[in-house]
Amino acid sequence: DIQMTQSPSFLSASVGDRVTINCKASQNINRYLNWYQQKLGEAPKLLIYNANSLQTGIPSRFSGSGSGTDFTLTISSLQPEDVATYFCLQHNSWPTFGSGTKLEIK
Amino acid sequence: QVTLKESGPGILQPSQTLSLTCSFSGFSLSTSGICVSWIRQPSGKGLEWLATICWEDSKGYNPSLKNRLTISKDTSNNQAFLKITSVDTADTAIYYCARSPAGGTIYFDYWGQGVMVTVSS
Repeated sequence: DIQMTQSPSFLSASVGDRVTINCKASQNINRYLNWYQQKLGEAPKLLIYNANSLQTGIPSRFSGSGSGTDFTLTISSLQPEDVATYFCLQHNSWPTFGSGTKLEIK
Repeated sequence: QVTLKESGPGILQPSQTLSLTCSFSGFSLSTSGICVSWIRQPSGKGLEWLATICWEDSKGYNPSLKNRLTISKDTSNNQAFLKITSVDTADTAIYYCARSPAGGTIYFDYWGQGVMVTVSS
């Protein structure tokens, strides 16, 4: 199976900061990488699919980049409502997830 | 509006069979390309894909659990089901169902809120 290494595990940033979260695949996954946001007690929400496509209704401050094995989720200007855990998913083969990044506001 | 909701027994004993139900609305499992998947997350651990069933009744299973899993659907009642046999404490987790859209690969665009399942004697 394809292993996904996500970093950092924990991130503390200020409102308005640019925030980046990374996922590295153990082998080439082309662009089959999604990013999700999960707030406490809520269902996970799809933010980005196929590495850089913004899901309908998601604010444009969220963006994704990368291909092959290295991928990045960027929040261009952190907002208080972005406090959540973020995780990646590869779907090049049977799906596997990153371990998650817990994002808090400083 | 797409919604999914999981239901399960809450608690069960080791060696029993876990039966989970996913009730959904806003889409149909008879629509070409649409699938429903099950994913779980043990407390303090990462997410793990378990199984997927699609509109034409094709199924996919996590290879590490395949022998214990059975996924099925009731298209007319907008439900999908998952059975896990011979559970033990390692199966204690939050279980999610999610919609997998058409596109040739298995990923998840809408998720339920999850149901907690505890395996304990």
